[in-house]
Amino acid sequence: GENVEQHPSTLSVQEGDSAVIKCTYSDSASNYFPWYKQELGKRPQLIIDIRSNVGEKKDQRIAVTLNKTAKHFSLHITETQPEDSAVYFCAASTDYGGSQGNLIFGKGTKLSVKP
Amino acid sequence: NAGVTQTPKFRVLKTGQSMTLLCAQDMNHEYMYWYRQDPGMGLRLIHYSVGEGTTAKGEVPDGYNVSRLKKQNFLLGLESAAPSQTSVYFCASSYSANYEQYFGPGTRLTVT
Repeated sequence: GENVEQHPSTLSVQEGDSAVIKCTYSDSASNYFPWYKQELGKRPQLIIDIRSNVGEKKDQRIAVTLNKTAKHFSLHITETQPEDSAVYFCAASTDYGGSQGNLIFGKGTKLSVKP
Repeated sequence: NAGVTQTPKFRVLKTGQSMTLLCAQDMNHEYMYWYRQDPGMGLRLIHYSVGEGTTAKGEVPDGYNVSRLKKQNFLLGLESAAPSQTSVYFCASSYSANYEQYFGPGTRLTVT
């Protein structure tokens, strides 16, 4: 089955710096890669996702890149702000087969943005 | 539009007791999921459903059962609770496979 590895587990940056979180996946059939943000005590919420037919996607200060050959994808946050402090989870899934739509999550990255 | 709701928010059980967690969504989504979240482990899929009347096992299904009698509801049951089932449980729903999953607020369960 699919396995998703996420690094680093903790990341501390100064406000205004960039943050990068990397994930690798094992199943070449995976074709959907979302990123979720979870603030302390809250539910996970989707911040950006990418499908396997594109290599990069941006939404304001957030971008995700995908390298299908190497089976890795990354989240980039520019001009970080204190409100970006949270735990970020990457995930992977496929849309066919018996486990279609099932997200396999990485173990999370706790991002701290220091003012 | 409430989105995804879960009841109860908190619960303490003794080992061997049973309980049911209720998830409800008002977005007419076909797919529903139950996850557990443990420190340092991320979110792990327990069971899921791709439509009314269907259920299937996820990564960590042992000790849990589910039912999807109505499209808007997805129930998670613990027949005989164990301390290893102490966790935060999240329900989620999505329109279809590989679409955004919307999460409920979570249920914090402690088994003593």
